[in-house]
Order: sequence, then C-alpha cells, then structure tokens
Amino acid sequence: DGGITQSPKYLFRKEGQNVTLSCEQNLNHDAMYWYRQDPGQGLRLIYYSQIVNDFQKGDIAEGYSVSREKKESFPLTVTSAQKNPTAFYLCASSNSTRYGYTFGSGTRLTVV
Amino acid sequence: GQNIDQPTEMTATEGAIVQINCTYQTSGFNGLFWYQQHAGEAPTFLSYNVLDGLEEKGRFSSFLSRSKGYSYLLLKELQMKDSASYLCAVRSNQGGKLIFGQGTELSVKP
Repeated sequence: DGGITQSPKYLFRKEGQNVTLSCEQNLNHDAMYWYRQDPGQGLRLIYYSQIVNDFQKGDIAEGYSVSREKKESFPLTVTSAQKNPTAFYLCASSNSTRYGYTFGSGTRLTVV
Repeated sequence: GQNIDQPTEMTATEGAIVQINCTYQTSGFNGLFWYQQHAGEAPTFLSYNVLDGLEEKGRFSSFLSRSKGYSYLLLKELQMKDSASYLCAVRSNQGGKLIFGQGTELSVKP
C-alpha cells in the first residue's frame, strides 16, 4: 500500500546533539513538507520541497536543515542551534490540489 | 500577514450538532481544508472548499465564504469518537503549502 513513513516514532536527544528524522513516501508525490506541532499552536511549517534537489524555508526554519536527494525521501535534521526542539514533528506529501496533504504518523522528539 | 483563527476548545453532547468556525486573512487563497486529528496521531483529511458554498459528506459538511474570509465545519449526529482536534488550513499560492490554524479541541460528552 502507498503511504508516507516517519521514523522513529519517539526520539530522545541530549542537548547539543544533532538528530535526523526520517520521512519516506512511495506515493510518487512531488512535494514534501515538514511541520512542527506544539500544544495549542497548531502546525508550523519548517521546510518544504516541490521537486528533487530543491527546497525552501518555511516560517520557522532556524535551527533545522533538510535535503531532497531522492523524490521519495525528505529527511529533517534538528541541529544544536534549535533552542527548543521538543515537539511533535509531522512530515507530509502532496500531488493533488483537492486532497491537500497525506501525513506521516509523526515523530515525537524530546530533549533530555 | 497571514492569520487563521478558530476557537481553542468546544464541548458538545453525543447526538447533537456542532459548528466549528474558522476565519482567515492570507496573502493568496487557493482552497481551504479541514482535518481531524486524534491525540498523538497524524491529521486526516475531512473536506476541501475552493468555491463559495456548502460541501456535504455524510455527517460532515463544510462551508466557505471567500468574500468574508470565513469557513465552518458542521458535524451532525455527534459520536464519542468525534472527540478530537479539528484543524482549519488555507492553501497559499506559494508552493501549494498549507497554513494551519491552531486547531479546535472538541470534546463530545455522553
């Protein structure tokens, strides 16, 4: 079945460490997105990519980096420069105007 | 600027009808979406409006007025499983990205 997979589901990071969140889709979607969700704040856009080897910053890109070397993959790195990384991270992909996004199941990142 | 407003919390009774409102001010408009999100899970698609009017899909309906920057999601015959967060999102003209409101946490009581 086609879908979008995020891993791991839970991730713990020590302060000062970089960590990479995985996002893979087999839907043949061109566009992929990373959002961060904090309680009471909805989803905020971190980075997005409309095509392989190209990506743009969203509203809260500072402290994050991405790559898009393959159509299927859009990993997100949370760097030590991100001051408050504890959050729920959602990856999404899209190839349709009408149905918006297909979301992954999310990764909950906690800094310890 | 871009702003999407929806109430933070709502409570309703099982079997009743509830309306969740959403107002938006965005630079560019290319459709409005409603998603349902249960705690700790990914959002799931409920509805899409790009033209003014009402879209009905079973127990769920969504309305859009572009001139007023206003939408609502109507849930009929509420069930306990409808307790969730409901997210309003507007698609911009830039890269197809969605801009989300903060979500409305709906609690359905027996």
